[in-house]
Amino acid sequence: GQNIDQPTEMTATEGAIVQINCTYQTSGFNGLFWYQQHAGEAPTFLSYNVLDGLEEKGRFSSFLSRSKGYSYLLLKELQMKDSASYLCAVRGIVNTGFQKLVFGTGTRLLVSP
Amino acid sequence: EAQVTQNPRYLITVTGKKLTVTCSQNMNHEYMSWYRQDPGLGLRQIYYSMNVEVTDKGDVPEGYKVSRKEKRNFPLILESPSPNQTSLYFCASTFDRARAGELFFGEGSRLTVL
Repeated sequence: GQNIDQPTEMTATEGAIVQINCTYQTSGFNGLFWYQQHAGEAPTFLSYNVLDGLEEKGRFSSFLSRSKGYSYLLLKELQMKDSASYLCAVRGIVNTGFQKLVFGTGTRLLVSP
Repeated sequence: EAQVTQNPRYLITVTGKKLTVTCSQNMNHEYMSWYRQDPGLGLRQIYYSMNVEVTDKGDVPEGYKVSRKEKRNFPLILESPSPNQTSLYFCASTFDRARAGELFFGEGSRLTVL
């Protein structure tokens, strides 16, 4: 099976840097995804890691360590609009051979002025 | 515009009254999936479809049915809704199962069953 843990809530200040951690246990790991979800809206894809290391995309970066079952999402130069939930999702191989995506419960980030 | 469209966006119904939530995508995606989202539980997969006429159960399929007669449409059917199916529902799609991670989500359908 798959198990994903991430903090429930975090707060940060506008302009700062915040790191949202995600730890996971899965069989047949085949990728880790981060999604952003504003309140009342649909999740939107942010980033994807399948190999160890850092992937940078503008103000957002995502890191993966497969040996540690660990990822983090780094948000720089925080803006008020970054207040949202951030969902960690892991793709693994199930016994049917299908690649299944499982979501964590999300981390709600509140950015204050 | 590339999008996943769900209808209705909001619905209040009563126990036992059959309902269908429609989902349509205009991106020619092979893979489509339904999720429900509940506080503290995150997004949980109900059913998914890898292509036309190919569907399978996700993690929480009880009380739901789906069909995939056309590539673009993937309706979610609640034959006899119950209050524990009150939730926020999302339809999602992606190109194929190899990329079943970069999902495009619909805007969500908030369902209340009284």
